[in-house]
Amino acid sequence: AQKVTQAQTEISVVEKEDVTLDCVYETRDTTYYLFWYKQPPSGELVFLIRRNSFDEQNEISGRYSWNFQKSTSSFNFTITASQVVDSAVYFCALSPDAGRRALTFGSGTRLQVQP
Amino acid sequence: DGGITQSPKYLFRKEGQNVTLSCEQNLNHDAMYWYRQDPGQGLRLIYYSQIVNDFQKGDIAEGYSVSREKKESFPLTVTSAQKNPTAFYLCASSISLTGLSSYEQYFGPGTRLTVT
Repeated sequence: AQKVTQAQTEISVVEKEDVTLDCVYETRDTTYYLFWYKQPPSGELVFLIRRNSFDEQNEISGRYSWNFQKSTSSFNFTITASQVVDSAVYFCALSPDAGRRALTFGSGTRLQVQP
Repeated sequence: DGGITQSPKYLFRKEGQNVTLSCEQNLNHDAMYWYRQDPGQGLRLIYYSQIVNDFQKGDIAEGYSVSREKKESFPLTVTSAQKNPTAFYLCASSISLTGLSSYEQYFGPGTRLTVT
């Protein structure tokens, strides 16, 4: 069975602060994929990143960065110099690389960035 | 423009009525999925289909039914047997095929269903 835990229910920061969203996962698969999605108030989920379990390199995309640590089963997401437009619910998700490839989602972290 | 459309955005029904939610994609994706989202919770998988004329139950399939007669379309019917149907329903698609890597899923705008 797979499980994704996002222990932070809600985070509030002031604009320009850095913020890290935590994600811890459980799986018995040796090959799997991790994802982050953003859900703005409109409701539609926006894909942010996909990471293969064999690739532990950290990734940076503009103000976004991701830290994948297989040893601690974590895939944390950091927003640098946060902006009001970053306010949303962020979901971490997990998918095996075989069989049922549907996503298992965490419960999400609501990020509020205050001006 | 390529994408996933879901209609309607808001849907209201009386208890005891079946209702069908539409999901169409023009991304030429093989796989399609239906998720349910309840307030303050993550998404849970209802049904998925990796190829036309084939679909599989997800984690919470009871009270729901689907069909996949065309690659572009994956409608979801919420039946009267679903005990708590009020929720936000999201459809997704991906190019994932059996034997290939797990690709990211792209989501539609969702349908908010209210049953009273």
